[in-house]
Amino acid sequence: KQEVTQIPAALSVPEGENLVLNCSFTDSAIYNLQWFRQDPGKGLTSLLLIQSSQREQTSGRLNASLDKSSGRSTLYIAASQPGDSATYLCAVVDGGTYKYIFGTGTRLKVLA
Amino acid sequence: ETGVTQSPTHLIKTRGQQVTLRCSSQSGHNTVSWYQQALGQGPQFIFQYYREEENGRGNFPPRFSGLQFPNYSSELNVNALELDDSALYLCASSSYLTGGLASGANVLTFGAGSRLTVL
Repeated sequence: KQEVTQIPAALSVPEGENLVLNCSFTDSAIYNLQWFRQDPGKGLTSLLLIQSSQREQTSGRLNASLDKSSGRSTLYIAASQPGDSATYLCAVVDGGTYKYIFGTGTRLKVLA
Repeated sequence: ETGVTQSPTHLIKTRGQQVTLRCSSQSGHNTVSWYQQALGQGPQFIFQYYREEENGRGNFPPRFSGLQFPNYSSELNVNALELDDSALYLCASSSYLTGGLASGANVLTFGAGSRLTVL
């Protein structure tokens, strides 16, 4: 059974710091992996999608990497800003069932 | 281009009642999936609809049911509400590509959710 874990559960950093969020999954047979952002009480916004054949994706200050063999993905945020404060969720699409399986998220707070 | 809209945004029900949540998919999307997100947890997949039929389901009992309409909008119905059904219910739409559940394995566009409280 595919399980997705995100570490740390919460993170507080000063503005301008570069930071890394971690996501691990137990079954390497995934179709793709997506990172989402969720603001309090809101829906999810897709940030980056990495297909299983890819190693990384970049969008602006965000860079996501994928290492299927070790069951890990990282989301790198450069020069963090207070507006980056949100919960970041990682989700894998299981290669057998094609269902999205989410981690519990990392709550990020960037202090001005 | 409109995004995914959900209604109502908040509602309160009592145990044993029934609830219907509604979702309008993003323009150009023909697949809708529903998720339950309890407080402090990640979203849990409930089911997905394509061409007005359910084509994938998570570990939810039959009292969770749904519909998809010809315009690709969707409803989630929950019967015999229980306290543990209190959660944020999220709808997401996507474009059909290869069929089956794989059509959900593309970029999802989420709505803002419906917050259900069961007393």
